Amino acid sequence: QSVLTQPPSVSGAPGQRVTISCTGSSSNIGAGYDIYWYQQLPGTAPKLLIYGNNDRPSGVPDRFSGSKSGTSASLAISGLQAVDEADYYCQSYDTSLSGSVFGGGTKLTVL
Amino acid sequence: QLQLQESGPGLVKPSETLSLTCSVSGGSISSSNYYWGWIRQTPGRGLEWIGSIYYSGSAYYNPSLKSRVTISVDTSRNQFSLKLSSVTAADTAVYYCARSSYNTGLKSNYWGKGTLVTVSS
Repeated sequence: QSVLTQPPSVSGAPGQRVTISCTGSSSNIGAGYDIYWYQQLPGTAPKLLIYGNNDRPSGVPDRFSGSKSGTSASLAISGLQAVDEADYYCQSYDTSLSGSVFGGGTKLTVL
Repeated sequence: QLQLQESGPGLVKPSETLSLTCSVSGGSISSSNYYWGWIRQTPGRGLEWIGSIYYSGSAYYNPSLKSRVTISVDTSRNQFSLKLSSVTAADTAVYYCARSSYNTGLKSNYWGKGTLVTVSS
């Protein structure tokens, strides 16, 4: 059971918009710590997608955006493309665990 | 372009020590403001931050693994290493080395390709 909870899977058709939630608690997201999102394509290492809640490293399309409210965060992907099919993970800091924690991951399927 | 590459045995016996090295190329491990760390991934437990080190040698560990983990850095070789003692089958995982902006593995923007380590007799 991960400290940050994500839905196991989401799906959407090409061109649609999907969101992936990341639910935490008062010891992590709710405490004001930033959220980071990673994309992991099959057989590869995770890649930083969003940092500081809603900033994108250079090269990441603006189709990807993040938001945070209370003890939850979300990753939104608009204009869904087949290349977006991957696993997505959220990450934050947890004060009770004194370290960074990841969500369990969400598998995005592009229909 | 910064590149990280893990190396080490792919098979470790139970109760022994897992040892991995991460070689950094395309940049200096002595760069200020970055931490070098280890993250592992298993199908059951997902991604788990193991620990991080600064080029000065200051190390930071996941409290749940702290008693078994040692991370060290060799700036002359542009490498850093992981030792995990008293391993069990639960330590079987893909181990990644990564560069992070924080000492807790947050904002890891460069990763190695990962290496599978299996704990089995």
